[in-house]
Amino acid sequence: GQQVQQSPASLVLQEGENAELQCNFSTSLNSMQWFYQRPGGSLVSLFYNPSGTKHSGRLTSTTVIKERRSSLHISSSQTTDSGTYLCALDDTNAYKVIFGKGTHLHVLP
Amino acid sequence: NAGVIQTPRHKVTGKGQEATLWCEPISGHSAVFWYRQTIVQGLEFLTYFRNQAPIDDSGMPKERFSAQMPNQSHSTLKIQSTQPQDSAVYLCASSLDYWGNYAEQFFGPGTRLTVL
Repeated sequence: GQQVQQSPASLVLQEGENAELQCNFSTSLNSMQWFYQRPGGSLVSLFYNPSGTKHSGRLTSTTVIKERRSSLHISSSQTTDSGTYLCALDDTNAYKVIFGKGTHLHVLP
Repeated sequence: NAGVIQTPRHKVTGKGQEATLWCEPISGHSAVFWYRQTIVQGLEFLTYFRNQAPIDDSGMPKERFSAQMPNQSHSTLKIQSTQPQDSAVYLCASSLDYWGNYAEQFFGPGTRLTVL
């Protein structure tokens, strides 16, 4: 089965609303990373987050490794937040980095 | 720091032709990764190098794909006899190190390959 599941698959928000994106993993991991990708663009690292909570502007990432989950919270969303958010984790058993399918976010003005 | 550099940014080939993609990792990074991204499959791992040595190529299609890292400043991904299904964005990433101990990955802008 899929080792990294992201939810929701897509999300439409009105500007100003908050968003909570989830990343759940079925394998043990050392750490994980959140990325943002604009349509047609490359991946930009948002958080490298072995565990715990990190903040960056309107973004907050919380990872609980023993519960095999991570979340990305976007507060007061803006139209420029539109794009795809991906999580990636390090599979300790396979020495491999595994990406989720992403959450496609669209923020309406 | 220029970040990860990938060239060309776009490449168009005819079916059956060869395509070579280049990646220059961030200076000082010892791990280099290649990925392929399509709308249908998402982001797929292809291969990675550590200190120029190939470590894991389990994601590489065996017959027509090959990757090399002749020196610490660049890696190449070669696709022989390209097919339309090879059309994708090929992404290169580097990190300080990777050996079952994840280090933050930094991605290049990607090469968009279109096979006609």
